[in-house]
Amino acid sequence: GESVGLHLPTLSVQEGDNSIINCAYSNSASDYFIWYKQESGKGPQFIIDIRSNMDKRQGQRVTVLLNKTVKHLSLQIAATQPGDSAVYFCAENMTGRRALTFGSGTRLQVQP
Amino acid sequence: GAGVSQSPRYKVAKRGQDVALRCDPISGHVSLFWYQQALGQGPEFLTYFQNEAQLDKSGLPSDRFFAERPEGSVSTLKIQRTQQEDSAVYLCASSSQPNTEAFFGQGTRLTVV
Repeated sequence: GESVGLHLPTLSVQEGDNSIINCAYSNSASDYFIWYKQESGKGPQFIIDIRSNMDKRQGQRVTVLLNKTVKHLSLQIAATQPGDSAVYFCAENMTGRRALTFGSGTRLQVQP
Repeated sequence: GAGVSQSPRYKVAKRGQDVALRCDPISGHVSLFWYQQALGQGPEFLTYFQNEAQLDKSGLPSDRFFAERPEGSVSTLKIQRTQQEDSAVYLCASSSQPNTEAFFGQGTRLTVV
């Protein structure tokens, strides 16, 4: 399949380590945020979301942190596995607008 | 179906040809989105439907792009007189309600030659 994210920033981690992927968003009116994982040749896959009235939300092996003061979002993946290798996008949704605005993405490479 | 389904999976069109891309959203999902993803970039919004109503088409790049969802389920994105710059992956997503998680299909890879 085609490659996704040929020129994206890359984060390389060892299998079993924790990964942190960061995202800066630009619009202070955004009230809903989502992290997506995209593997080569596939559509984005929902990982976890968070609304602006929260600072932290946990899922299975993943945690999203939201810092509205500096407009920063992060995704933490615990005990990273080779299957986590993909491009990760943060997306924001502005109040009153239905569409998501995606960031530029980060490629995560997990070394065995 | 279990997820969002898009067809065809790949489409090669000659410059100037018209194309039609189909999206079958998750059954019962009210919201449907089309996005365009160029190689190495994040998806960019094209248009949004709530049921059969096209509420936002601000992302459509030109009047050659047209989308419809006549019965509030299946949607078609049509591109007339395709140009090389239209080459991209076209993604469809649906959600049960506005401002809830959106599920994406695998996309249609359009190559204009």
